Amino acid sequence: AQTVTQSQPEMSVQEAETVTLSCTYDTSENNYYLFWYKQPPSRQMILVIRQEAYKQQNATENRFSVNFQKAAKSFSLKISDSQLGDTAMYFCAFMKHAGVTGTASKLTFGTGTRLQVTL
Amino acid sequence: NAGVTQTPKFQVLKTGQSMTLQCAQDMNHEYMSWYRQDPGMGLRLIHYSVGAGITDQGEVPNGYNVSRSTTEDFPLRLLSAAPSQTSVYFCASSYLGAYEQYFGPGTRLTVT
Repeated sequence: AQTVTQSQPEMSVQEAETVTLSCTYDTSENNYYLFWYKQPPSRQMILVIRQEAYKQQNATENRFSVNFQKAAKSFSLKISDSQLGDTAMYFCAFMKHAGVTGTASKLTFGTGTRLQVTL
Repeated sequence: NAGVTQTPKFQVLKTGQSMTLQCAQDMNHEYMSWYRQDPGMGLRLIHYSVGAGITDQGEVPNGYNVSRSTTEDFPLRLLSAAPSQTSVYFCASSYLGAYEQYFGPGTRLTVT
C-alpha cells in the first residue's frame, strides 16, 4: 500500500513571494504518478500539476513547479509570485501507473496543507 | 458537457436514516469512484467501479453501498446513517488507465 505524508498543516506567504509545500510518499512501485491538487474555498478539486515517476525532469506549469526526488521519495510544490487566488488547501496525491493492462488506479491523498496568501 | 455532477450539494440526516448520494458523468468514463474528505484526513477512497456492473471496495467502505447499472451513474448509498459519516463526499471519474480524474463539486453531509 502507498502512503502520502504532508507534514505542514498550514502555511502562510505574502503576495508575490515564493512558497514551497512539502510531500513525501512511500511505495514499492517503480512506475507511478504524483500530483498536486488545489482545493479553494469553493471545494472544487483542481489538478495543479503532475509528475510521472519515469521522467527525471521536474514538471512546471506557469508559476507552479515541483522538485521530484525519486530516491528520497519526495515531491515538493513551489509556488512562485504567490497570488491571493492561490489561497487554498493543497493536496499531494499518488497514483500507481495503469501499465499495459489499462486498469484503473486509485488516488492516495495526503492530509493537505492549508496555504494562506496575505497582502 | 456537464462533466461530473453530484446531488444534493448539502444534506442533513438523522442517525439511522438512509439516503443516496447521486453522481453522474457525461464523458463516457469507465472509471468512477467515491471519496470522503474529513478534516486532517485528506480524501479517502470509499468505493470504485471500472465499468457497468463492476464495483470494488476502497479504503473505507464500511457503511456504504454502491452499484453501477450504467456507465453514467454511480450512486452511493448510506443504509443507516451514523454521525461518523458526517463528511464531504466527492465523486470522481476518468477514462480507464488515464491519470487525470475529474471531480464533482462535492456533497456536504451532516448526520445528527
